[in-house]
Amino acid sequence: GAVVSQHPSWVICKSGTSVKIECRSLDFQATTMFWYRQFPKQSLMLMATSNEGSKATYEQGVEKDKFLINHASLTLSTLTVTSAHPEDSSFYICSARGGLAGGGGTDTQYFGPGTRLTVL
Amino acid sequence: SQQGEEDPQALSIQEGENATMNCSYKTSINNLQWYRQNSGRGLVHLILIRSNEREKHSGRLRVTLDTSKKSSSLLITASRAADTASYFCAPGANSKLTFGKGITLSVRP
Repeated sequence: GAVVSQHPSWVICKSGTSVKIECRSLDFQATTMFWYRQFPKQSLMLMATSNEGSKATYEQGVEKDKFLINHASLTLSTLTVTSAHPEDSSFYICSARGGLAGGGGTDTQYFGPGTRLTVL
Repeated sequence: SQQGEEDPQALSIQEGENATMNCSYKTSINNLQWYRQNSGRGLVHLILIRSNEREKHSGRLRVTLDTSKKSSSLLITASRAADTASYFCAPGANSKLTFGKGITLSVRP
């Protein structure tokens, strides 16, 4: 199946710093990538949808200036948490969707392994 | 909201038994996907069923979809301890997936 990687897998940072998380589709071209966050034992909440070469579409309640998303190529999207605070601590997961990825066609989203962010 | 709502919230079975998990949603969908998540990990795609399909199989997995009742079920046959995980259904519409809180499945060896 299609493989999506995330880097780093975990990060600890001080309050006020910025953290960048990378999401890569390794064996297919991802026309669309999604960013989610998940609190312990909770559902995944969609934060934003990004299409290669265009601005991300953010879900209601998600601060665009705080969570900067760049989808610079068909295999890479980045999420930058700016001026991170303890309440931003969470599990961030990306997913990618493309054509014929893993045989799943264009509807299937393939998820990365997630990034655990802890803000002190 | 098209958010999937899974039922039951938790399920504990003996290895070898079948596990049935249900999902309901509220609005029209294009497809419905089931995912598995092991603790602290990303989601693994299990199966996608389209709105014009009623049943789909993949190995030990069987998924049904009833669009008239806005419900889906995931059946795992001959469960194994390695099937222990959280399972999510994700109704898909307008190119987005919306996840419920998931079902915690525990398979006792």
